[in-house]
Amino acid sequence: KQEVTQIPAALSVPEGENLVLNCSFTDSAIYNLQWFRQDPGKGLTSLLLIQSSQREQTSGRLNASLDKSSGRSTLYIAASQPGDSATYLCAVSNTNAGKSTFGDGTTLTVKP
Amino acid sequence: GAVVSQHPSRVICKSGTSVKIECRSLDFQATTMFWYRQFPKQSLMLMATSNEGSKATYEQGVEKDKFLINHASLTLSTLTVTSAHPEDSSFYICSALPWRGGTDTQYFGPGTRLTVL
Repeated sequence: KQEVTQIPAALSVPEGENLVLNCSFTDSAIYNLQWFRQDPGKGLTSLLLIQSSQREQTSGRLNASLDKSSGRSTLYIAASQPGDSATYLCAVSNTNAGKSTFGDGTTLTVKP
Repeated sequence: GAVVSQHPSRVICKSGTSVKIECRSLDFQATTMFWYRQFPKQSLMLMATSNEGSKATYEQGVEKDKFLINHASLTLSTLTVTSAHPEDSSFYICSALPWRGGTDTQYFGPGTRLTVL
């Protein structure tokens, strides 16, 4: 059974800092990995999707990397802003049948 | 991009009543939809997989008679919480897997917050 762990559970940084969020998974035979953002009381916003054949994806100030063999992914956020404050969730799919296993998330606070 | 909607976005009901939540894929067909539940300050847990034209597959520990799922068309799946109780209060999120005959990922709805009084 796939298990997904996210470290740290919470992170507080001053505005402008670069930061890294970590996601690890136990079953490396994944189909894809996705990073989401969730604001309090809201739904999910997809940030980056990495297919199993890819090593990284970039969107603006966000960069996600994937190392399948070690069962790890990182989300790098450059030049953090207060608007980046949210919970970031990592989700892993083991097949193209879609269903995902989510980590518990990292709650990020960026202080002005 | 692919859009998935949920209705209602928020519902408050009395204990013992049933509540229906709709999940629609607006611009694509989805033979498979998923229902997740999220308790406060916790992550999403998969409840069931909904397949168009067949019975849903429930995850271990999820009561199929309490959480009725119907996937009657390629763009609509419904989740009915029967005889709701306060412990059913949660955030319910659906996702839809596009039917394109190739590889793809699921698209998530905005969620429905259920509060049972």
